Amino acid sequence: SQTIHQWPATLVQPVGSPLSLECTVEGTSNPNLYWYRQAAGRGLQLLFYSVGIGQISSEVPQNLSASRPQDRQFILSSKKLLLSDSGFYLCAWSNSGNYGYTFGSGTRLTVV
Amino acid sequence: KQEVTQIPAALSVPEGENLVLNCSFTDSAIYNLQWFRQDPGKGLTSLLLIQSSQREQTSGRLNASLDKSSGRSTLYIAASQPGDSATYLCAVRPNSGGSNYKLTFGKGTLLTVNP
Repeated sequence: SQTIHQWPATLVQPVGSPLSLECTVEGTSNPNLYWYRQAAGRGLQLLFYSVGIGQISSEVPQNLSASRPQDRQFILSSKKLLLSDSGFYLCAWSNSGNYGYTFGSGTRLTVV
Repeated sequence: KQEVTQIPAALSVPEGENLVLNCSFTDSAIYNLQWFRQDPGKGLTSLLLIQSSQREQTSGRLNASLDKSSGRSTLYIAASQPGDSATYLCAVRPNSGGSNYKLTFGKGTLLTVNP
């Protein structure tokens, strides 16, 4: 069966520090991968999605970047965090068939 | 641009009551619609997935319907329990085009079931 792992679960980082959040998927190959951010009262916002290794599409101009170094690994990064980067970050995967999306357990990021 | 609206934003019911959560979307050209549950501080758990050609899906006490032509879906929860308390989100996946991977989410309905 397919599983998705996301870590860390919580993170407190000072302004200006770097960020790296990792997401891995098991039990499937060539998944579509996504990073979403959920801010209080603002719903779920798609940040990045990837349909293959090295292929990243950005949805929102921001202080963040994403990379996909391996087929089932998706990384969200920042060189210098801003206060506005605080939020709940969710990784998800889907495939090209008639299946839905599966989400990870999320990372609560607080920038102080 | 697809817009998804969920009504009500919050709902509080006594245990045992049957209830309906509503989701509407503006563009009927969808591939599928998915209902999720989110507990506080947790990720999203998929509840039901309805393909555009289907009218409803059932899982246990949950039943989701889809009327694509009118842009509506409902999630019916039978015999509600306190453990059903959570935020319920619906999301639609577009039918075609370069953005057909991207879900559009509603803002959710916060359900509280009181014992």
